[in-house]
Amino acid sequence: DIQMTQSPSTLSASVGDRVTITCRASQSINRWLAWYQQKPGKAPNLLIYKASSLESGVPSRFSGSGSGTEFTLTISSLQPDDFATYHCQQYNSSPYTFGQGTKLEIK
Amino acid sequence: QVQLQESGPGLVKPSETLSVSCLVSGASMMTYHWLWIRQPPGKGLEWIGYISSSGSTNYNPALKSRVTISADTSKNQFSLKLKSVTAADTAVYYCARSSGYFYFDHWGQGTLVTVSS
Repeated sequence: DIQMTQSPSTLSASVGDRVTITCRASQSINRWLAWYQQKPGKAPNLLIYKASSLESGVPSRFSGSGSGTEFTLTISSLQPDDFATYHCQQYNSSPYTFGQGTKLEIK
Repeated sequence: QVQLQESGPGLVKPSETLSVSCLVSGASMMTYHWLWIRQPPGKGLEWIGYISSSGSTNYNPALKSRVTISADTSKNQFSLKLKSVTAADTAVYYCARSSGYFYFDHWGQGTLVTVSS
């Protein structure tokens, strides 16, 4: 199985900050990576697929980059609605695996 | 718009079979792949398996011996059965859709299933 490791596990930031979350794969997954946002008690919501493609309806302050084994999710200017947990997921090969999640907290 | 709605028992006894269903609206089951994902309380997400638009299935090897996913396209729903459950199977179970590549663009709201006697 491909292991996905996110860092940091928790991130404290303020409204207006630029933040970056990293996701590393245990082997190359090309660009087959998705990012999700999850709020407490809710299902995950797709933000980005194929490493950098923005899902329809997702604000442009979200962006993704990377290929191979290292990927990043960047939020250019944090808004109050962005405080949530973020998950990466590889879909290069089955079983499809997720990172452990990064909780973005208000500083 | 696409909507997925899970339904489940809430509580299952150890060693019994967990059964959860997902009702799909706003999309054809013959066009997409349909998946189950779970999340134990306070933990990360785990892909369980899927049933494809053609009816083939693929399961996570970690659960494969205990999992069955089936679909009833006439009712626009698909189901998960997980047998011989233990407390480690306590989780929120989500159904989701994949458009071909296996990222998940629509999710149900999730149903919590607790395994306890």
